[in-house]
Amino acid sequence: DIQMTQSPSSLSASVGDRVTITCQASQDITNYLNWYQQKPGKAPKLLIYDASYLQKGVPSRFSGSGSGTDFTFTISSLQPEDFATYFCQQYDNLPTFGGGTKVEVK
Amino acid sequence: EVQLLESGGGLVQPGGSLRLSCAASGFTFSNYAMTWVRQAPVRGLEWVASIGNSGDSTYYADSVKGRFTISRDNSKKMLYLQMSSLGADDTALYYCAKDKSPFADNTWDLWGQGILVTVSS
Repeated sequence: DIQMTQSPSSLSASVGDRVTITCQASQDITNYLNWYQQKPGKAPKLLIYDASYLQKGVPSRFSGSGSGTDFTFTISSLQPEDFATYFCQQYDNLPTFGGGTKVEVK
Repeated sequence: EVQLLESGGGLVQPGGSLRLSCAASGFTFSNYAMTWVRQAPVRGLEWVASIGNSGDSTYYADSVKGRFTISRDNSKKMLYLQMSSLGADDTALYYCAKDKSPFADNTWDLWGQGILVTVSS
């Protein structure tokens, strides 16, 4: 299985901050990477697919980049509704997820 | 309304069986692959199984292969997960999810609210 190492596991930030999360794959996954947001008691929500494409209806403050083994997810200006947990997920092979990053209020 | 609604979860004894169902509405179900993903507090999110839009192609995680069967009924807009030989490691919140494509490309743009399966004596 392809292992996805996501960091940090948690971070504290304030509204308006720029937030960056990284995900590293254990082998080359080209651009077969998605990013999801999950709020407590809710299902994950697709934000970014194919590493850098914004899912329809998702605000443009969310972005993704990277290819191969190293990927980055960025929130350009954190909004109150963005406090949540974020997961990366690869689909180059049988799908696997990163461990998640909890974005908390500073 | 575009939604997925899971049912069939509950408490089951180790070694037992359970069938989960997922009712789809608001989109052309037969055009999309479907998936089951589970989430447990310690193990996190784990892909379980996927099925192509026609039902001809199925894929399973090694952890459930031979014990779980994914299936679908396009005429009823229903997705199923038949689970057998259940163990404590299968305890989780199970989500059904819709793929963006007819094939199991594994990018999921619609999720159900989840259904809890607890394996315990």
